[in-house]
Amino acid sequence: DGGITQSPKYLFRKEGQNVTLSCEQNLNHDAMYWYRQDPGQGLRLIYYSQIVNDFQKGDIAEGYSVSREKKESFPLTVTSAQKNPTAFYLCASSIGGRVVDTQYFGPGTRLTVL
Amino acid sequence: AQSVTQLDSQVPVFEEAPVELRCNYSSSVSVYLFWYVQYPNQGLQLLLKYLSGSTLVKGINGFEAEFNKSQTSFHLRKPSVHISDTAEYFCAVSALTGTASKLTFGTGTRLQVTL
Repeated sequence: DGGITQSPKYLFRKEGQNVTLSCEQNLNHDAMYWYRQDPGQGLRLIYYSQIVNDFQKGDIAEGYSVSREKKESFPLTVTSAQKNPTAFYLCASSIGGRVVDTQYFGPGTRLTVL
Repeated sequence: AQSVTQLDSQVPVFEEAPVELRCNYSSSVSVYLFWYVQYPNQGLQLLLKYLSGSTLVKGINGFEAEFNKSQTSFHLRKPSVHISDTAEYFCAVSALTGTASKLTFGTGTRLQVTL
């Protein structure tokens, strides 16, 4: 079955530690995205990538980093510089990076900083 | 820049009753419009989208939405809800003039269906 997988489902980290969230898709989509979801705030775009080896900052990129070395993978690193990292993180992909292309979402990773 | 307003944070409704979830947007350019549904601790699933053409859009699970350009609205409706429709619903917009698919989401409306 084609889809988007995110791992792990739940993640705990201590303050000051970097952590990497995994996102893999087998839909052969060119574009991939990372969103952060907080209660009562909807989803906010962190980073997006329209093609391999290229990515752009979204609205709240500070404290995060990404890489896009393979078409099917778009890992997100939450660094110690991110002041409030506890949130639900959603990865998405679309067939292309055009405005008209529908985004499909993974199941999410819930990150809790202890 | 675009913005989306979902005025109702929660909407309680009895099973088999009709429901309307409101969405208003603001944009200086034309937009595409989307409704997504999120079940607890899961990702988002596309319900329906408006790109062009007929202003009445039909989606999955019996939902439909109507694009009203003059009122800048894209309200979601269902004539008879089921318990399984209990979820969070997000309205989103994407500007036509952008070069990338960048969605701006509303804050969500929690639909609570009870017997």
